Amino acid sequence: GNSVTQMEGPVTLSEEAFLTINCTYTATGYPSLFWYVQYPGEGLQLLLKATKADDKGSNKGFEATYRKETTSFHLEKGSVQVSDSAVYFCALSDRGGGADGLTFGKGTHLIIQP
Amino acid sequence: DGGITQSPKYLFRKEGQNVTLSCEQNLNHDAMYWYRQDPGQGLRLIYYSQIVNDFQKGDIAEGYSVSREKKESFPLTVTSAQKNPTAFYLCASSTDRGTDTQYFGPGTRLTVL
Repeated sequence: GNSVTQMEGPVTLSEEAFLTINCTYTATGYPSLFWYVQYPGEGLQLLLKATKADDKGSNKGFEATYRKETTSFHLEKGSVQVSDSAVYFCALSDRGGGADGLTFGKGTHLIIQP
Repeated sequence: DGGITQSPKYLFRKEGQNVTLSCEQNLNHDAMYWYRQDPGQGLRLIYYSQIVNDFQKGDIAEGYSVSREKKESFPLTVTSAQKNPTAFYLCASSTDRGTDTQYFGPGTRLTVL
């Protein structure tokens, strides 16, 4: 079956540090890959996505590249801010149109200290 | 503004009681989903619906029921058969025509007393 593995948190960084959150996946087909962000007490917001190999998703300074050869979709940001503190979820959709739901990783709690 | 609304934000129930969580969307999306989130875990799919009057079980459907009588609405009932219902419940929706992106509501936190 499908699965997503993320690095365990919490990840604590200082402001302006470089961020990498690792994500690897297992899928039977050709999935679309997503990063969602969740702020305390709220729902999930789509951060970025990539739908095929070598695609790069980007948004708000965050980037992730779909690497089929390593089955990875690592999230990066060059200079983090305190406002980036949140829980980040990697997810995949491997069911044609996404109508059967997403498969999520367990989430990585990111803490940015001033 | 288009979006997904869930109500209430916080819900308390006594053991043995059924409770219904509301989810409404005005995005004109065909597909809707319910997920459960527990601390330190990812989201797990409870039920999903691709079209009005049709829905399918997800990975953890036992103890839950849903209906889809209108395109905009997908209520979730947590029944007394659900052994451990205290959790954060998230509703989402998406189009079913070539895009996988799901858009989430703000969630309902259910606590069983």
